[in-house]
Amino acid sequence: QVQLQESGPGLVKPSETLSLTCIVSGGSISSYYWTWIRQPPGKGLEWIGYIYYSGSTNYNPSLKSRVTISVDTSRNQFSLELSSVTAADTAVYYCARGPDCTGGNCVFDPWGQGTLVTVSS
Amino acid sequence: EIVLTQSPGTLSLSPGERATLSCRASQSVSSNYLAWYQQKPGQAPRLLIYGASSRATGIPDRFSGSGSGTDFTLTISRLEPEDFAVYYCQQFGGSPYTFGQGTKLEIK
Repeated sequence: QVQLQESGPGLVKPSETLSLTCIVSGGSISSYYWTWIRQPPGKGLEWIGYIYYSGSTNYNPSLKSRVTISVDTSRNQFSLELSSVTAADTAVYYCARGPDCTGGNCVFDPWGQGTLVTVSS
Repeated sequence: EIVLTQSPGTLSLSPGERATLSCRASQSVSSNYLAWYQQKPGQAPRLLIYGASSRATGIPDRFSGSGSGTDFTLTISRLEPEDFAVYYCQQFGGSPYTFGQGTKLEIK
């Protein structure tokens, strides 16, 4: 079955750019939407944005000015860049497939295991 | 933005009891676009319910979802020890997609 794995630095300095990659295995990245979601320590979930395999994107307005999501179909992976980070961006970052609206119902499934990114000098 | 408000924030119950978790939306959400996830400490959320009432693959039938419009409910008929976790509702009815703040189900 499809599995997702996030990778990237676990520590980023304030004002720098956070960069993460999600590698998709067990299936093709084609024909699906792919999403990034984050969760600050001890808090709830926040949808960051998604990308379609063809490259079209949709971002959360709260982060839109700082977010770029890109896709590399040849490597079966997609990436997140978040610029000008502050301590408030410290979170576990998850990648997930979706929104997958096959059959008319939408889901985020499956999810990667998540990676903690700490913003600190 | 559609705000999802979950109640209660924390629910303390014993194994074998019935759990009822609520999710209220700030505006109507199509049932097709309402999902529930379970999250255990140190783990990623896991899809439980989609389309407000359909169980995801491998989810035991003690989990059920119901509701429509602005009011949705997740019910766990008889709690097992592995069910104690945090539960989130989530909507796809409008962008940005949003999650409820979560209900923590703890052992009494």
